[in-house]
Amino acid sequence: KAGVTQTPRYLIKTRGQQVTLSCSPISGHRSVSWYQQTPGQGLQFLFEYFSETQRNKGNFPGRFSGRQFSNSRSEMNVSTLELGDSALYLCASSLWRTSEGTDTQYFGPGTRLTVL
Amino acid sequence: AQKITQTQPGMFVQEKEAVTLDCTYDTSDQSYGLFWYKQPSSGEMIFLIYQGSYDEQNATEGRYSLNFQKARKSANLVISASQLGDSAMYFCAMREGPRGSSNTGKLIFGQGTTLQVKP
Repeated sequence: KAGVTQTPRYLIKTRGQQVTLSCSPISGHRSVSWYQQTPGQGLQFLFEYFSETQRNKGNFPGRFSGRQFSNSRSEMNVSTLELGDSALYLCASSLWRTSEGTDTQYFGPGTRLTVL
Repeated sequence: AQKITQTQPGMFVQEKEAVTLDCTYDTSDQSYGLFWYKQPSSGEMIFLIYQGSYDEQNATEGRYSLNFQKARKSANLVISASQLGDSAMYFCAMREGPRGSSNTGKLIFGQGTTLQVKP
């Protein structure tokens, strides 16, 4: 089974621009979560989507948004980029079925965003 | 207050020896899940092991085992017979609430421990 894929892997943008990152979950996984990883703040939860609905949101400004499509693929968008948005953005997917008793999140390779 | 604390920023271990990476957590939930992930320099987070708060046995996965002490709120990762490929950053993470709850998609991570295996 293919793992979680993220595109692009690397991205360089300038302040004020916007960016869209894409995540394709493991086949059959319906939950997709996004995390931001920086040296200073570590790994922080951005949001989670399940069945095209945002189910959880972290403590990030409204410039960070996301969506999920009917095939469970997800995108996150960051508008009006700031220098502090430079980070590794990780996407994770999980099966989320209580009957199967597993909600382990499997991560993609990440998108490394540099804001100049 | 930190919900997940990893007090060892960096550790060294000799190849073939065992090593314990510490993790303490803080939650008022009775049901929760604890995870360990490995992050090599490439950046991808690799799932290692899971422990549920109601699991009676300590979790084991190959060379990885989790020393779960619920009363002390600790969930230490033990790696036996260390290999050079184990050199990486290791993260402890927690899901608050029961498995399958609305918190399922949200993990809280510690700051990580960098492990270096010496030949």
